[in-house]
Amino acid sequence: SYVLTQPPSVSVAPGKTARITCGGNNIGSKSVHWYQQKPGQAPVLVIYFNSDRPSGIPERFSGSNSGNTATLTISRVEAGDEADYYCQVWDTSSHYWVFGGGTKLTVL
Amino acid sequence: EVQLVESGGGLVQPGGSLRLSCAASGFTFSVYSMNWVRQAPGKGLEWVSYISGTGSTMYYADSVRGRFTISRDNAKNSLYLQMDSLRTEDTAVYYCARLGEGFGMDVWGQGTTVTVSS
Repeated sequence: SYVLTQPPSVSVAPGKTARITCGGNNIGSKSVHWYQQKPGQAPVLVIYFNSDRPSGIPERFSGSNSGNTATLTISRVEAGDEADYYCQVWDTSSHYWVFGGGTKLTVL
Repeated sequence: EVQLVESGGGLVQPGGSLRLSCAASGFTFSVYSMNWVRQAPGKGLEWVSYISGTGSTMYYADSVRGRFTISRDNAKNSLYLQMDSLRTEDTAVYYCARLGEGFGMDVWGQGTTVTVSS
C-alpha cells in the first residue's frame, strides 16, 4: 500500500517560516491535502488539492507538490500554529485514503 | 452552521459490537461522500471507511474490512458505523468527516471515544 513519510517534528522561531514535508512515491502525481490538529481537537483542513486554501485559513499557509515530495509552508509562524500536521492522499489503486504519520510543529 | 456530531461511543469488551452515529446539519447531506477516521491514543490519524453520497460505493481499511460496516440514511442526514468483533486495537477516537469538493475532508465532527477492554 502507498506510504507517506513525514518528519516527526519541526521547530521554528516565531515570525520565521516552517516547512513540513511529506514524502511518497511519485506523490507529485497525486492531490495532497494537509490537516492541522491541536491537542484535544478535531483535525482542520488547511490545504487541499496541493495548494488551495479553504475559506478562513490564513494566506500564511501554502502548499506545493512535485516529484516525490509535497510541502506545507507556514510563513510568519505564530504561537497559535503549534500543532500536529498531517498530509493525506487518495490512493486510487487500492481505494485507500492514506495519512502521513504526522509532524509536531513546535514554536520556540 | 455546517456541523457533524458523533455519538455512540463507549466501553465494550473484546469481541463485542458498537454502532456509531454521525448527525449532519447545515448542508445537503446526500450530495457529499462521508468518511470515518480514527485516532488511537497518542497516535496519528487512520482512515477507516468511505461511503459515497448515494450509499452505493463503500471502501474500507484493511484493518477493519469484514468487521465494520459503513452506511447512511440520507432522509435522516445520518452516517453510521457498525463495528463488530471489536479488538483492543480498535480503541480510538472516531471522527466522521465530510469529503469536500476538492477531495479534502473539509468538515469534521468532535469525535466519539471507543474503548475496547475487558
